[in-house]
Amino acid sequence: DGGITQSPKYLFRKEGQNVTLSCEQNLNHDAMYWYRQDPGQGLRLIYYSQIVNDFQKGDIAEGYSVSREKKESFPLTVTSAQKNPTAFYLCASSADPRGTGELFFGEGSRLTVL
Amino acid sequence: GQQLNQSPQSMFIQEGEDVSMNCTSSSIFNTWLWYKQDPGEGPVLLIALYKAGELTSNGRLTAQFGITRKDSFLNISASIPSDVGIYFCAGPPRGSTLGRLDFGRGTQLTVWP
Repeated sequence: DGGITQSPKYLFRKEGQNVTLSCEQNLNHDAMYWYRQDPGQGLRLIYYSQIVNDFQKGDIAEGYSVSREKKESFPLTVTSAQKNPTAFYLCASSADPRGTGELFFGEGSRLTVL
Repeated sequence: GQQLNQSPQSMFIQEGEDVSMNCTSSSIFNTWLWYKQDPGEGPVLLIALYKAGELTSNGRLTAQFGITRKDSFLNISASIPSDVGIYFCAGPPRGSTLGRLDFGRGTQLTVWP
């Protein structure tokens, strides 16, 4: 079945460690996104990519990094520079790089920093 | 990016009641999207609106694109327990950087049997 796969679903990390969240899609979508979700805050955009080998910062990019070497993959690294990394992370893709259409979301990855 | 103003923040209703929620923005939107998120899952699109004044239904759900293009409404009729979740409005604000959507903070819906 076509869709977006995020892994791991749950992740625990010690302070000072970097961690990479995986996002893979087989929908042949050009655009991919990473959002962070905190209770009562809604979804906030971390990074997005409209095409392979290109990506732009969103509203809360500090402490995060991404790469887009393949169309299917858009991994997110949460670095030790991120002050409050504990959150629910959502990856999404869209067939429309202009961002005017539907986003398809993965099931999310919950990161807890101990 | 701006946050859309979504209200109410939470709702506690009894099964069978109707639900109304809305979303407003200080900027004009050309598209309004309504998503639902089940606990521990990613959001799923419910309804998409592309034209000012448009009224669209999806089963018991009805959404409207405000004429001013700065607001949208979502109504759920005869609620059932599986309607529980967080409902988000979203849209690409006019003139924004291509490729982004802004999201509201969500309306948490609880339905009592």
